[in-house]
Amino acid sequence: DSGVTQTPKHLITATGQRVTLRCSPRSGDLSVYWYQQSLDQGLQFLIQYYNGEERAKGNILERFSAQQFPDLHSELNLSSLELGDSALYFCASSLTGTGLTGELFFGEGSRLTVL
Amino acid sequence: GNSVTQMEGPVTLSEEAFLTINCTYTATGYPSLFWYVQYPGEGLQLLLKATKADDKGSNKGFEATYRKETTSFHLEKGSVQVSDSAVYFCALRAMDTGRRALTFGSGTRLQVQP
Repeated sequence: DSGVTQTPKHLITATGQRVTLRCSPRSGDLSVYWYQQSLDQGLQFLIQYYNGEERAKGNILERFSAQQFPDLHSELNLSSLELGDSALYFCASSLTGTGLTGELFFGEGSRLTVL
Repeated sequence: GNSVTQMEGPVTLSEEAFLTINCTYTATGYPSLFWYVQYPGEGLQLLLKATKADDKGSNKGFEATYRKETTSFHLEKGSVQVSDSAVYFCALRAMDTGRRALTFGSGTRLQVQP
């Protein structure tokens, strides 16, 4: 158990809909990262937050947004969903935003299926 | 930009066979390098890491050496077990930019048969 909690574990929805994925980082970790894992794209970095502020942006679509709340949990919002958004979405956390140790702790992921 | 290239899988081996999974990278500056493992139905876990050239990371019988001259970080294990069946990801963090997220390779699935 990594200590990172993601909900829901599975989600099935229709095209055009909007969903919210939730992540609670390990106790004490200030930084949260979101990754998308799909069969054809591999593991893609979406966005990073550190202590409530956006720190880095990767391949995140404009239809997607995220935030980190004062209690450090994070939410990833996916809107106007398309079939191609079906994937496993991972949240990871680390103690710092500078990644001095390099280790990220991953949750078990939220599997999104868009029909 | 930064990128990681891994050998394509699946890699299928018999128990006690020798394992090598190749990983090469492209990065500016001097990145830190990592191997993560993903067991079925689970998130990724750090397997080992190396932060500078010629460092050797090791854990659970797995080893990888940071080779700056060949920009490689190949994963090896002398004798694999069925329990090693998983997907292995090579990753880097480039330390000369403000971005601290890891860049992952596409993953290599290992299947070990009894």
